[in-house]
Amino acid sequence: GAVVSQHPSWVICKSGTSVKIECRSLDFQATTMFWYRQFPKQSLMLMATSNEGSKATYEQGVEKDKFLINHASLTLSTLTVTSAHPEDSSFYICSASTSGRADNEQYFGPGTRLTVT
Amino acid sequence: EDKVVQSPLSLVVHEGDTVTLNCSYEVTNFRSLLWYKQEKKAPTFLFMLTSSGIEKKSGRLSSILDKKELFSILNITATQTGDSAIYLCAVNTGTASKLTFGTGTRLQVTL
Repeated sequence: GAVVSQHPSWVICKSGTSVKIECRSLDFQATTMFWYRQFPKQSLMLMATSNEGSKATYEQGVEKDKFLINHASLTLSTLTVTSAHPEDSSFYICSASTSGRADNEQYFGPGTRLTVT
Repeated sequence: EDKVVQSPLSLVVHEGDTVTLNCSYEVTNFRSLLWYKQEKKAPTFLFMLTSSGIEKKSGRLSSILDKKELFSILNITATQTGDSAIYLCAVNTGTASKLTFGTGTRLQVTL
């Protein structure tokens, strides 16, 4: 149980285009989903926290107009990287929580590797 | 600013060795400390620690937290090549359920 999927697993796009990444909880309802970014040889950095049906809370330094997050249902959150640039190339990981607690109830997706050329 | 520091950054050991990974933290509003193992993709959960001095154990892995000295260790005994991974420590500060991750320790176990 507690499986989280992400789609796509990898994507290559041209600079200036937008990319949408989906995060789904497959067998549970996720009241909260978290989006992280991981650059090579670095740790996970939280980008934003999203609660179903409300606006996402972004971490300091993360542009909300560039990284659009939608959490329209209890099983799906999407992250859209708008007008992507090469510096946005990274590994994007989502996680889902059933109760809003970021501890052992947080289940991670397999990640999406984004390369912007 | 909340800070989680792991050491060493990387480690190479021989199969059968015992390793100790360190995690120290400086955060406001500590709730719990978590250890994850990350291989090629997303992290997988290992342990959650909330109380000092109580060892959590799973097979060859164990972990303990010291809330007075603000650190945790993760021990792996009789290491195997399958233990090769990045081990991440994260602290839940309880602020909007946020996890702050350390930089990770890259462990390589050789034959």
